[in-house]
Amino acid sequence: GNSVTQMEGPVTLSEEAFLTINCTYTATGYPSLFWYVQYPGEGLQLLLKATKADDKGSNKGFEATYRKETTSFHLEKGSVQVSDSAVYFCALTSLTQKLVFGQGTRLTINP
Amino acid sequence: GAVVSQHPSWVICKSGTSVKIECRSLDFQATTMFWYRQFPKQSLMLMATSNEGSKATYEQGVEKDKFLINHASLTLSTLTVTSAHPEDSSFYICSASLPGQGSYNEQFFGPGTRLTVL
Repeated sequence: GNSVTQMEGPVTLSEEAFLTINCTYTATGYPSLFWYVQYPGEGLQLLLKATKADDKGSNKGFEATYRKETTSFHLEKGSVQVSDSAVYFCALTSLTQKLVFGQGTRLTINP
Repeated sequence: GAVVSQHPSWVICKSGTSVKIECRSLDFQATTMFWYRQFPKQSLMLMATSNEGSKATYEQGVEKDKFLINHASLTLSTLTVTSAHPEDSSFYICSASLPGQGSYNEQFFGPGTRLTVL
């Protein structure tokens, strides 16, 4: 079946540091890939997505590139802010439209 | 736009009682809603998919008599945890699907409901 594996957290960085959260997947066919963010006390929000190989999703300074050859969709940001502190989920969906989530990575940014 | 609400945000109940959780799409009509369960420090696990006016489709291992889902209208789905026990304590999250372009219908998530069964 489909699955998503994320880098384990928690991750703690200083403000303006470079962020990478690794995500790899296993799927049949050609899944769409997503990063969701969950801020404290809030529901999940779609951060970015990519629907085919080599697509780059980007939003709020975050980027992720759909790499079919390495089955990866790593999340990156060049300079993080305190307000980026949240839990980040990598996810995929395929023909069934069901989302399969990774285990989540808690990110804390210190001023 | 595309806001999903859940009520209540948290609930504490005694073992053996039933608890109903509501999920509403506030500004759009959702033909499909999803119910997830999230254990502490773990990922979201899909419990069931509900379509308006039809029976919910449950994931393997989810007891449909335990977790009753009713999708009565295009803006409301309810999850009832029947005869709750402490092991049902968890964070329950719903999402509502908004038909979009292409092959993916984006899901919009509610803020979740924390259930504690004593």
